[in-house]
Amino acid sequence: DMKVTQMPRYLIKRMGENVLLECGQDMSHETMYWYRQDPGLGLQLIYISYDVDSNSEGDIPKGYRVSRKKREHFSLILDSAKTNQTSVYFCASSSRTGSSYEQYFGPGTRLTVL
Amino acid sequence: GQQVQQSPSSLVLQEGENAELQCNFSSTATQLQWFYQSPGGSLVSLLSNPSGTKHTGRLTSTTVTKERRSSLHISSSQTTDSGTYLCAIDQNSGYNKLTFGKGTVLLVSP
Repeated sequence: DMKVTQMPRYLIKRMGENVLLECGQDMSHETMYWYRQDPGLGLQLIYISYDVDSNSEGDIPKGYRVSRKKREHFSLILDSAKTNQTSVYFCASSSRTGSSYEQYFGPGTRLTVL
Repeated sequence: GQQVQQSPSSLVLQEGENAELQCNFSSTATQLQWFYQSPGGSLVSLLSNPSGTKHTGRLTSTTVTKERRSSLHISSSQTTDSGTYLCAIDQNSGYNKLTFGKGTVLLVSP
């Protein structure tokens, strides 16, 4: 069964603390993503990773960085978290089949920055 | 940039009724995916349908590429269908990058 996992599921941090969100997938997908979802704004793409050490900024990369050292793992790092980074963060992965692909999402991490 | 408009923004049905959700997009799409999100939950892929008609269970998606629109038909709705339905498009960016609509919130009452 294809699966994307995220850890932790819930996290509370104080402003200025560092945050590490982790994502794993067992499908050997090349491409992985980090999104955040906020009420009224929908899903916004933070970063895309096309493979190990091949990362590109999405639409809202400011305040975030990523790391992908193994194909099955993709981390999102918030250095000195801010209150406006309180959100639900989703990781996803995809793999191309010809000209088509599908994205598969993890369960999400609900981050609160106080 | 790519824009994805979904309508209606919300829909209330009685169990057993059919639902028709619409997705319109501003540029040619080479990839189109419909997702379901339960309240407080994650996104589940329903259908990948960049063109033509696809069926799975009680769901039918029809995408007319030239007219830049797609629909999702849910037949014989059930209370467990309640949630948010999201349409997402790739504008042939070559980067496997989806742009999401804001979604249609469906409530099915018993």
